[in-house]
Amino acid sequence: KAGVTQTPRYLIKTRGQQVTLSCSPISGHRSVSWYQQTPGQGLQFLFEYFSETQRNKGNFPGRFSGRQFSNSRSEMNVSTLELGDSALYLCASSPGIAGGGYNEQFFGPGTRLTVL
Amino acid sequence: AQSVTQLDSHVSVSEGTPVLLRCNYSSSYSPSLFWYVQHPNKGLQLLLKYTSAATLVKGINGFEAEFKKSETSFHLTKPSAHMSDAAEYFCVVSPYNNNDMRFGAGTRLTVKP
Repeated sequence: KAGVTQTPRYLIKTRGQQVTLSCSPISGHRSVSWYQQTPGQGLQFLFEYFSETQRNKGNFPGRFSGRQFSNSRSEMNVSTLELGDSALYLCASSPGIAGGGYNEQFFGPGTRLTVL
Repeated sequence: AQSVTQLDSHVSVSEGTPVLLRCNYSSSYSPSLFWYVQHPNKGLQLLLKYTSAATLVKGINGFEAEFKKSETSFHLTKPSAHMSDAAEYFCVVSPYNNNDMRFGAGTRLTVKP
């Protein structure tokens, strides 16, 4: 099976712009989670989507949003970019059995976002 | 609420010597616990996971971890370090019933020849 893919791999934006990142999960996986990784804050959970519905949400402002399509592909959007949004954004997929916490998550290579 | 504390930000060992990466967790629920590894410029790879089936968990590449509820610990060990083990290691906790995973700050493992 192909792994989790994320596009683009690298992105440079300026403050105030918005950005959309894409994630294609492993075939058959219904859960997609997003994480932000920075040197200062480490790995932080953004949100999880399961069957096109947001199932869990971390502590990020409303500028961070996401969605999931019927084929389980997911997009994450960040509006009004700030310098502090520069980070590696990781996507992870899992089978996502409803209510199942034992599902291991498979991570993509990430999208490196730089905000100038 | 749930969280993990990785007790060492950096561990340095010599090749062929044992590895010990320490992790303490806090969880209001029966937790699932994981160790992930991240090599430079790579995504995260699952090393092993605890799901209440057995307290001693064996993972890939010779790593194992022991769940100790009384000590709220989930330390990662390997009998003999290899140069290829040099990477960042993350301890992760999530509740039984969802995928809200909370990562530790990470431990950078250096392996000296």
